[in-house]
Amino acid sequence: SQTIHQWPATLVQPVGSPLSLECTVEGTSNPNLYWYRQAAGRGLQLLFYSVGIGQISSEVPQNLSASRPQDRQFILSSKKLLLSDSGFYLCAWSRKQSSYNEQFFGPGTRLTVL
Amino acid sequence: AQRVTQPEKLLSVFKGAPVELKCNYSYSGSPELFWYVQYSRQRLQLLLRHISRESIKGFTADLNKGETSFHLKKPFAQEEDSAMYYCALRQGAQKLVFGQGTRLTINP
Repeated sequence: SQTIHQWPATLVQPVGSPLSLECTVEGTSNPNLYWYRQAAGRGLQLLFYSVGIGQISSEVPQNLSASRPQDRQFILSSKKLLLSDSGFYLCAWSRKQSSYNEQFFGPGTRLTVL
Repeated sequence: AQRVTQPEKLLSVFKGAPVELKCNYSYSGSPELFWYVQYSRQRLQLLLRHISRESIKGFTADLNKGETSFHLKKPFAQEEDSAMYYCALRQGAQKLVFGQGTRLTINP
């Protein structure tokens, strides 16, 4: 069966510090991968998605970047965090062959920037 | 532009009462719509999709193209229905556009 992992679960970082959040998927190959930010009142906002190694699409201009160094690994990064980067970050995957594009979500990372 | 709107951030109903979570969308083609749910301390997960015309945990949702709506309904609410609900619209081959979410609370 397929599983998706995210770490860390929680993170408190000072403004201006770097960020690296990691997401890995097990039990499937060549998945589509996604990074979302979940904010109260703003719903679920797609930040990045990837259809393959090294292929990243950015959905909104921001202080963050994403990379996919391996087939089942997706990393969310920042060189210098802003206060506005605080939030709950979700990683998700989907099958390419699925006609419904059901997405399977990870447990999330709570990021607090102070 | 494709958009999903959930007008209610919070919805509170009593156990046994009917529930309706509203979702409206804007899309020029033939839409594919979904409802996702996040229970307390659990991961966000798919609840149902309009194309399947299924009832999951007593919930149903009908696509109304004339009103561009996809409201989620349940005739008798249960306490375990308390959760965060997101309506989503398929965008292209790989993406989903989510609404702002509605937090449903079922009072005993």
